[in-house]
Amino acid sequence: KAGVTQTPRYLIKTRGQQVTLSCSPISGHRSVSWYQQTPGQGLQFLFEYFSETQRNKGNFPGRFSGRQFSNSRSEMNVSTLELGDSALYLCASSPDGIATGELFFGEGSRLTVL
Amino acid sequence: LAKTTQPISMDSYEGQEVNITCSHNNIATNDYITWYQQFPSQGPRFIIQGYKTKVTNEVASLFIPADRKSSTLSLPRVSLSDTAVYYCLVGGPNFGNEKLTFGTGTRLTIIP
Repeated sequence: KAGVTQTPRYLIKTRGQQVTLSCSPISGHRSVSWYQQTPGQGLQFLFEYFSETQRNKGNFPGRFSGRQFSNSRSEMNVSTLELGDSALYLCASSPDGIATGELFFGEGSRLTVL
Repeated sequence: LAKTTQPISMDSYEGQEVNITCSHNNIATNDYITWYQQFPSQGPRFIIQGYKTKVTNEVASLFIPADRKSSTLSLPRVSLSDTAVYYCLVGGPNFGNEKLTFGTGTRLTIIP
């Protein structure tokens, strides 16, 4: 069974640009959630999508957005990049949601903003 | 969502049992307690989940007292490969619009 796949694994952007990250969940999983991990702030929840609808949202500005497609694949977009957006972005999938059981994480997309 | 508090770091020797405690004083009735392990440059990996008393699987045990205000992850006979950051997470099915918080985690270092 294939795990959670995130692309790209590494990317470099400059301030003001935008970026789109992709996450392919485990087959059959309807929930995809996104997290930002930085040395200073730790692992922070961005949002969760379930059956193409945003179900939960963390405390991030509107520059951070996402969507989920009918095949459960999800994308996360960050617009007007800032230096502080440099981080490891992780996505996780689960059959039923983020708080009901085991989350399966991908290896992450490491974003560097110059 | 219940805030969790864990020790920032712990050291242990190979072969010993390691216990990592997480405090969650504001845990809600519907909340479960879940522990994850994370190696550098990898996503967290599920270890164990429980609601009350004791849960055991092939890699760890989770002890939860009756008041559920804390929990202890127990790793038996640790090896060097158990060096990682361990996160305690509290949340429940009625998640609603609350934020999911992993906390700072505990950096466990196993010494040969």
